[in-house]
Amino acid sequence: DAKTTQPNSMESNEEEPVHLPCNHSTISGTDYIHWYRQLPSQGPEYVIHGLTSNVNNRMASLAIAEDRKSSTLILHRATLRDAAVYYCILSRGGPSGSARQLTFGSGTQLTVLP
Amino acid sequence: NAGVTQTPKFQVLKTGQSMTLQCAQDMNHEYMSWYRQDPGMGLRLIHYSVGAGITDQGEVPNGYNVSRSTTEDFPLRLLSAAPSQTSVYFCASSYTGGTEAFFGQGTRLTVV
Repeated sequence: DAKTTQPNSMESNEEEPVHLPCNHSTISGTDYIHWYRQLPSQGPEYVIHGLTSNVNNRMASLAIAEDRKSSTLILHRATLRDAAVYYCILSRGGPSGSARQLTFGSGTQLTVLP
Repeated sequence: NAGVTQTPKFQVLKTGQSMTLQCAQDMNHEYMSWYRQDPGMGLRLIHYSVGAGITDQGEVPNGYNVSRSTTEDFPLRLLSAAPSQTSVYFCASSYTGGTEAFFGQGTRLTVV
């Protein structure tokens, strides 16, 4: 299975943008890139996903490199409530993949400073 | 709007005891799964189900059993609890081919 590499921790100031990087150099053509986050004492929460093109939703933006070997999750204005562990995950697309069998690494602990 | 509900939230077991962690979802999702999360680590897949009557093993299935008699429920059974099974357990569900998994709030299990 393709693996992802993320920094262990990052800090950001409140109301500033945050760019969370993820490397996935062994990604295959059918692997989707998912981001989940886990707030303290809660289950993981879906943030965003993409395949090739950059994606935007109400929570964040996902920028995918042209060669798909890396991606960046962008929080446009960090708030204290965004402090969480952010996981970058690859999963196979199509009927037998997508949100199934997510393989979580150790993620990036984001600290938001007031 | 319940989503994925796990019970109990906390449990302490003695070594050798058995118990069942409950998971229920009200979104009519075909796919359900169980993960465990050890301190400071990401989640690891234990078992999953693609629909009622169908289950399969994940990355760390030993010591756990599952069954799926209905679409809504996916219980996880610990056959003979061991201290190594002390962990936080999460249940998740999604549509077949869906791109978003929904997780429960977790069950914190301690085996002494």
